[in-house]
Amino acid sequence: DSGVTQTPKHLITATGQRVTLRCSPRSGDLSVYWYQQSLDQGLQFLIQYYNGEERAKGNILERFSAQQFPDLHSELNLSSLELGDSALYFCASSLGGSEQFFGPGTRLTVL
Amino acid sequence: GQQVMQIPQYQHVQEGEDFTTYCNSSTTLSNIQWYKQRPGGHPVFLIQLVKSGEVKKQKRLTFQFGEAKKNSSLHITATQTTDVGTYFCAGNGSSNTGKLIFGQGTTLQVKP
Repeated sequence: DSGVTQTPKHLITATGQRVTLRCSPRSGDLSVYWYQQSLDQGLQFLIQYYNGEERAKGNILERFSAQQFPDLHSELNLSSLELGDSALYFCASSLGGSEQFFGPGTRLTVL
Repeated sequence: GQQVMQIPQYQHVQEGEDFTTYCNSSTTLSNIQWYKQRPGGHPVFLIQLVKSGEVKKQKRLTFQFGEAKKNSSLHITATQTTDVGTYFCAGNGSSNTGKLIFGQGTTLQVKP
């Protein structure tokens, strides 16, 4: 158990819909990272927040957005969903820029 | 943008054989991290290398960071069935953020 929690575990939705994925970092960790893992793309970095502020951005689509709240939990919003958005979405946290602790992931299926 | 390439993509070995995965970055890295993901699981941190030419060992696992800080390797001696999983290297190009660029991973299968 990494101490990072993610909800929900599984999500099945239809194209065009919008979903929100939630992540609670390890106690004391200020940084939260979001990754997308699909079979053919490996682990793709989406975005990082540090203590409520956006710190780094990866290949995150404009249809996706994220935020980190004052209690440090984070949400990833995915809108206008397409079939290709089906993937595992991981959240990770770290104290600084060192080792990252990954949550169990949310498996998103877009039908 | 920064890219991290990892080879091979898959490796099947007999239990007891050695295994090596290689990682190459298109740019000089601040540090490199290695993670292991078991089937159905999430990535778990193994180690971080920071210094040029650094070599670190964890039991049967040996990690190296190249002199130019652009490549790295993970070598497992005498593989066991518990070593099964996907091994990812992840490069950090900037010491100011924790942004990691992951390699595609090497999936290791071990035949008992």
